[in-house]
Amino acid sequence: EAGVAQSPRYKIIEKRQSVAFWCNPISGHATLYWYQQILGQGPKLLIQFQNNGVVDDSQLPKDRFSAERLKGVDSTLKIQPAKLEDSAVYLCASSLAYQREAYEQYFGPGTRLTVT
Amino acid sequence: AQSVAQPEDQVNVAEGNPLTVKCTYSVSGNPYLFWYVQYPNRGLQFLLKYITGDNLVKGSYGFEAEFNKSQTSFHLKKPSALVSDSALYFCAVREEGLYNFNKFYFGSGTKLNVKP
Repeated sequence: EAGVAQSPRYKIIEKRQSVAFWCNPISGHATLYWYQQILGQGPKLLIQFQNNGVVDDSQLPKDRFSAERLKGVDSTLKIQPAKLEDSAVYLCASSLAYQREAYEQYFGPGTRLTVT
Repeated sequence: AQSVAQPEDQVNVAEGNPLTVKCTYSVSGNPYLFWYVQYPNRGLQFLLKYITGDNLVKGSYGFEAEFNKSQTSFHLKKPSALVSDSALYFCAVREEGLYNFNKFYFGSGTKLNVKP
């Protein structure tokens, strides 16, 4: 089966510019996660969707970050305006469902963002 | 609050020798624990999980992990390391959110170097 797709793979922008990342999860996966992975750290959950609804966005900096998952399939994460500290790899992951039995997450290759 | 600690930034081992990558956790309720591996420029890949049952869990690529409740540890092990095992390893713990949603917390990662 096809894996989680992400684009672009790399992006370099200047601070205060905007940027958008796209994710297409594995077909049939209802749950979609966006993580931020800063160099030397583990992934940190930004937002979690169940179908097209937000389940958890408690760690999303909502003054500059936004995300949507229209039609419950692919998703877009946007940063506007970007700050230097947003430099990181943004990982998208999906899983079959949100319920307690569905634990295994499938990760995309990530988008490496550099803010200069 | 849930947390995961990986006390070693890096582990070095010779090919053919046994390896151990350490992980300790703090969680309220029953611990649901995971190991993921990350190769350069790729997303995380699921290795194994502990939900309940036998304290020794077997996973992909010959890896196994030992759950120790009294020591709140979940160390990753392999009897004989391969050069191809060289990668970044992440331990993760699950928190049960509202309505049974899964939320995952990752450790900071341990770089495993296997030398020929």
